[in-house]
Amino acid sequence: NAGVMQNPRHLVRRRGQEARLRCSPMKGHSHVYWYRQLPEEGLKFMVYLQKENIIDESGMPKERFSAEFPKEGPSILRIQQVVRGDSAAYFCASSPLPHTPEKLFFGSGTQLSVL
Amino acid sequence: EDKVVQSPLSLVVHEGDTVTLNCSYEVTNFRSLLWYKQEKKAPTFLFMLTSSGIEKKSGRLSSILDKKELFSILNITATQTGDSAIYLCAVFNTGNQFYFGTGTSLTVIP
Repeated sequence: NAGVMQNPRHLVRRRGQEARLRCSPMKGHSHVYWYRQLPEEGLKFMVYLQKENIIDESGMPKERFSAEFPKEGPSILRIQQVVRGDSAAYFCASSPLPHTPEKLFFGSGTQLSVL
Repeated sequence: EDKVVQSPLSLVVHEGDTVTLNCSYEVTNFRSLLWYKQEKKAPTFLFMLTSSGIEKKSGRLSSILDKKELFSILNITATQTGDSAIYLCAVFNTGNQFYFGTGTSLTVIP
């Protein structure tokens, strides 16, 4: 059981570049959640996806951020034209069923640093 | 505004000590409260509490919820260096929203 795999672990981007964060859920899990952890703050929900569908993106900024979970392959969180304020740890979590927090498994996160 | 507040922010204890971590919340339409241990970045599930006054226990860790006073505590007895981590509290509501606290950083020194 490989767990939830996120890559890269660390990503450095200059202002204006694009950042792509990948998340492979646990085997058998079709529900993926993305969270952002800013320094000195708790994890904040961004988006919830099922295969090929965005279910809830209420926590994701309307501009520059997008997420997808294609039929094949990992879920991708994409941040266009990054700014310094995007620097944070981005966590992905997956579960086999919707809205079952006790069955939610987290990845180790991607630390994004914007120079 | 819905929020989860944890205290203390950090704690340093000696091996063998007992610690109590606190989590208070103001979240509408509460459904459950969860505790996680975060070491090397990936939070791992410890407990889920839904009912007041019923203690959940796993080895040296235990937790209880008070829905009237809106708080939970996580106790760790006979602490070991392997208990060093950030402990996160999160509240899940009936709207399927998850609210996390900022965590308590526990350091256990030999």
